[in-house]
Amino acid sequence: DAEITQSPRHKITETGRQVTLACHQTWNHNNMFWYRQDLGHGLRLIHYSYGVQDTNKGEVSDGYSVSRSNTEDLPLTLESAASSQTSVYFCASSESGRTGELFFGEGSRLTVL
Amino acid sequence: GNSVTQMEGPVTLSEEAFLTINCTYTATGYPSLFWYVQYPGEGLQLLLKATKADDKGSNKGFEATYRKETTSFHLEKGSVQVSDSAVYFCALKSSGDKLTFGTGTRLAVRP
Repeated sequence: DAEITQSPRHKITETGRQVTLACHQTWNHNNMFWYRQDLGHGLRLIHYSYGVQDTNKGEVSDGYSVSRSNTEDLPLTLESAASSQTSVYFCASSESGRTGELFFGEGSRLTVL
Repeated sequence: GNSVTQMEGPVTLSEEAFLTINCTYTATGYPSLFWYVQYPGEGLQLLLKATKADDKGSNKGFEATYRKETTSFHLEKGSVQVSDSAVYFCALKSSGDKLTFGTGTRLAVRP
């Protein structure tokens, strides 16, 4: 069965360290997204990609970067982790041009101390 | 810009009670509307959707009707179960393939 997997599921890091969260999907979807989930804010879009070599900023992109070198993967990098980036991160994918169903991973809980 | 407003939770109900979770939206053009559900410890999954005005989405006993005149997409279920306890997110898709989500409403159902 096709799926979308995130790793690590849980990570604790220190302020200032670089952190990369992995996202891998086997749906062969062109679209991939990174959201963060925080109490009181719901899901907020960080970055997204509509295909290989395409990346775009979302509403809360400061301090984050992504790269898309193949269809399956969209890693999210925190260049210098800050305590404000403590959150649960969700990766999602979807087919281009469909009515918008996103398929979500199980989330990565990041704690920045 | 696009935005989604949901009623604040938590919503606590007894089993077999009627559920309504309100959702209103602001968007340009003619958005598609969605309800996603998140069970404890899991990612979100699509519950139902509607792509044009007056469409009714339904799944697992849940329903929502796309009301363009009131810019609303309220989620309803006639008789909730303990297994429906989760966080429910309303979302919209306007231009492009991005979704804009509401803040989520936590539902707790007591036996």
